[in-house]
Amino acid sequence: DQQVKQNSPSLSVQEGRISILNCDYTNSMFDYFLWYKKYPAEGPTFLISISSIKDKNEDGRFTVFLNKSAKHLSLHIVPSQPGDSAVYFCAASARGAGSYQLTFGKGTKLSVIP
Amino acid sequence: DVKVTQSSRYLVKRTGEKVFLECVQDMDHENMFWYRQDPGLGLRLIYFSYDVKMKEKGDIPEGYSVSREKKERFSLILESASTNQTSMYLCASSRRQGYYGYTFGSGTRLTVV
Repeated sequence: DQQVKQNSPSLSVQEGRISILNCDYTNSMFDYFLWYKKYPAEGPTFLISISSIKDKNEDGRFTVFLNKSAKHLSLHIVPSQPGDSAVYFCAASARGAGSYQLTFGKGTKLSVIP
Repeated sequence: DVKVTQSSRYLVKRTGEKVFLECVQDMDHENMFWYRQDPGLGLRLIYFSYDVKMKEKGDIPEGYSVSREKKERFSLILESASTNQTSMYLCASSRRQGYYGYTFGSGTRLTVV
């Protein structure tokens, strides 16, 4: 049973427009969420995170929104740049339950078209 | 700059060979993990370790074993490599407490022929 779901395997966006990547989760114990970015032939790198006590966290062009009632989070990239083309993984953990292990979604491949 | 270092970026091995993938971290992290990444399947956890000499099976441990003799080093062993183990292998580490996420290595692209 997939506890973290990224239902869109791929997304194409024009340069300069907004990219919105979505993630749904089923485990109500998850209280900390992260986004990782991965280029081909490289390891994933941490992008941005959010705790369940917040509903929004912003870092430059990247904003993560959390809707706890819907068990949904999204990553907004504004404006999108060609260098943002990568696979984005959503991840979650249940720190309050004592588990620091991450559960990952399957990833969304973002292509930003110049 | 903190680092997780994987010994090889690319590796080609023959079916039936015993394969060792090495991972070293310099952050004094307690937790270490081995994942494989395959198209359409995302990141799948093979094994993890919360302490020296301690190991736990992940979601897909079959055909793999691990060794953690020192805190900084976590090795993944393919006892008898098979073609379905051709994949990108990723090592990661994290703190046990005060959780800030994983730091990943650059990955090892393993091809079994």
